[in-house]
Amino acid sequence: EVQLVQSGAEVKKPGESLKISCKDSGNRFTRSWIGWVRQMPGKGLEWMGIIYPGDSDTRYSPSFQGQVTISADKSISAAYLQWNSLKVSDTAMYYCATISGPYPGDPFNLWGQGTLVTVSS
Amino acid sequence: QSILTQPPSVSAAPGQKVTISCSGSTSNIGNNHVSWFQQLPGTAPKLLIYENSERPSGIPDRFSGSKSGTSATLGISGLQTGDEADYYCGTWDSSLSAGVFGTGTKVTVL
Repeated sequence: EVQLVQSGAEVKKPGESLKISCKDSGNRFTRSWIGWVRQMPGKGLEWMGIIYPGDSDTRYSPSFQGQVTISADKSISAAYLQWNSLKVSDTAMYYCATISGPYPGDPFNLWGQGTLVTVSS
Repeated sequence: QSILTQPPSVSAAPGQKVTISCSGSTSNIGNNHVSWFQQLPGTAPKLLIYENSERPSGIPDRFSGSKSGTSATLGISGLQTGDEADYYCGTWDSSLSAGVFGTGTKVTVL
């Protein structure tokens, strides 16, 4: 069964850096877009950005451009979400998900279990 | 904040039908396919509907989707207690060159 497995929960202080991961057990990693979705406590889903590991083409939501970095390592079928300086407001659950079709506008059809990031002094 | 507007909550008795609206604009729903996601409490979202009205394998036909102009609708018929969840619409926004989700709707089975 194809799965996306995310790294474990993190507790960080404001100003610290962080990189969370998402590993794809399937064999379509370099031929599928993979992205990240934020869900703040008690709030809705927010589309953050996506990457095409085959050529590293990356698209960001304007709301997250410059705030995070999305990357991928196709040699190990892993995608990453990175912060250089965390804020308390980055506290949220972060989901990775793969896109079902060849276009960035196609829907997320396979989701990871989520990584809870808590930022607190 | 989201640019796709959904009602905060809908409710109905078991066996009844509910509909959830998703209102957008020409830059998103008006010119792109709409998807719907179900998020059960404490779990990751799951794709329910894609390309406005198509169901992935394994999704029962109690779930239906439609689109007209700049709005989309999710229907859930034969409501079951297991359908209690948050539901989100999603689409691409051509102006933002990014995906967007709706504000989310909580479905309660009375």
